[in-house]
Amino acid sequence: SQQGEEDPQALSIQEGENATMNCSYKTSINNLQWYRQNSGRGLVHLILIRSNEREKHSGRLRVTLDTSKKSSSLLITASRAADTASYFCAWPPEGGGSNYKLTFGKGTLLTVNP
Amino acid sequence: DTGVSQNPRHKITKRGQNVTFRCDPISEHNRLYWYRQTLGQGPEFLTYFQNEAQLEKSRLLSDRFSAERPKGSFSTLEIQRTEQGDSAMYLCASSLRTSNEQFFGPGTRLTVL
Repeated sequence: SQQGEEDPQALSIQEGENATMNCSYKTSINNLQWYRQNSGRGLVHLILIRSNEREKHSGRLRVTLDTSKKSSSLLITASRAADTASYFCAWPPEGGGSNYKLTFGKGTLLTVNP
Repeated sequence: DTGVSQNPRHKITKRGQNVTFRCDPISEHNRLYWYRQTLGQGPEFLTYFQNEAQLEKSRLLSDRFSAERPKGSFSTLEIQRTEQGDSAMYLCASSLRTSNEQFFGPGTRLTVL
């Protein structure tokens, strides 16, 4: 399988706490993306970080990328019950070029308890 | 609603039957992708179109699977002689040629009995 690893596989926290999810990938990339999937639904794009960036913020989301370790992390601050979902990292094919397909990690299931 | 739509949302079929799914992408998007997702896993790439041209097919796409995108608009994914292992969520996504962001539809959940 070309899929990388995400950890933890599942994470349960209380509302207001921060949640951190990690992703490791296997190839050279020019960007890495994070998606959210609510139960039984399609995926929603959250944020993209390019290979020349180390950190990126979007609202309550903070993404880091370490290309030397082939890893990324997603931090959700001040979590809400509505953040309950599965979170996936995804990356394009090695060699860059047009980003015409994505390889996804196995995902982290986040549960935020009210 | 101007997002990606997929029909049907659910399909239950008996082994050996043929099924066809439809995806309507966002109208100005010229790229369209099909992915398959099984329980507890991330989506896996199946195939990709740029306009009406099918540019890549995954090894996951056996000869029982065929996808089309006539006129570069909607796309169909057909599975012939379905097997129980085909049970999965089939996701469609679209994007602009110049964008890294893919917009996903709600998926079609296939159950093969």
